[in-house]
Amino acid sequence: GQQLNQSPQSMFIQEGEDVSMNCTSSSIFNTWLWYKQDPGEGPVLLIALYKAGELTSNGRLTAQFGITRKDSFLNISASIPSDVGIYFCAGRQGGSEKLVFGKGTKLTVNP
Amino acid sequence: DTEVTQTPKHLVMGMTNKKSLKCEQHMGHRAMYWYKQKAKKPPELMFVYSYEKLSINESVPSRFSPECPNSSLLNLHLHALQPEDSALYLCASSRTGSMNTEAFFGQGTRLTVV
Repeated sequence: GQQLNQSPQSMFIQEGEDVSMNCTSSSIFNTWLWYKQDPGEGPVLLIALYKAGELTSNGRLTAQFGITRKDSFLNISASIPSDVGIYFCAGRQGGSEKLVFGKGTKLTVNP
Repeated sequence: DTEVTQTPKHLVMGMTNKKSLKCEQHMGHRAMYWYKQKAKKPPELMFVYSYEKLSINESVPSRFSPECPNSSLLNLHLHALQPEDSALYLCASSRTGSMNTEAFFGQGTRLTVV
């Protein structure tokens, strides 16, 4: 099936630093979604992207839908301790009901 | 309101038990999903219901039986599970299954099979 390659697998940063993570695929996707998941909880939607080249912000978070429609990135600016968690990208191909997930990026923020 | 409600939050069951997981949304979404998530892994799709009809079954064993009684409710009936079925079970919903829409997740049910 479709696979999303998400990197990095984990990041250890100092509070106040900026963070960048990305997802790539060999296939074209029509929708890219970015989620954050805390331990024992369900994923929480952060940003949704629907058009190639689209750049969308949500507070300190910014995500972009790649021009080739095969990738997306998420940036977090001025990280704070509550940014700790696992971030997942997810994508849907045109006409497909399946939402496919990347393997996640585990973020640790040192105060 | 983007709330998807799952009950129970935690469930411990024996291998001979029959139990059900429940999911509810009142956003008018017509696509609902069951995902299974093992520790340190991404969610894995199990089933998709679109307009109350089962549209995707990702080769899930028959000991898991989904049901969509109406457009707001989704159940997952469990019977004769194995310890390796212990996981976080997530329900999600979206406006439709195939168009460009967000998917919202519930908090999950932590299932332990003993």
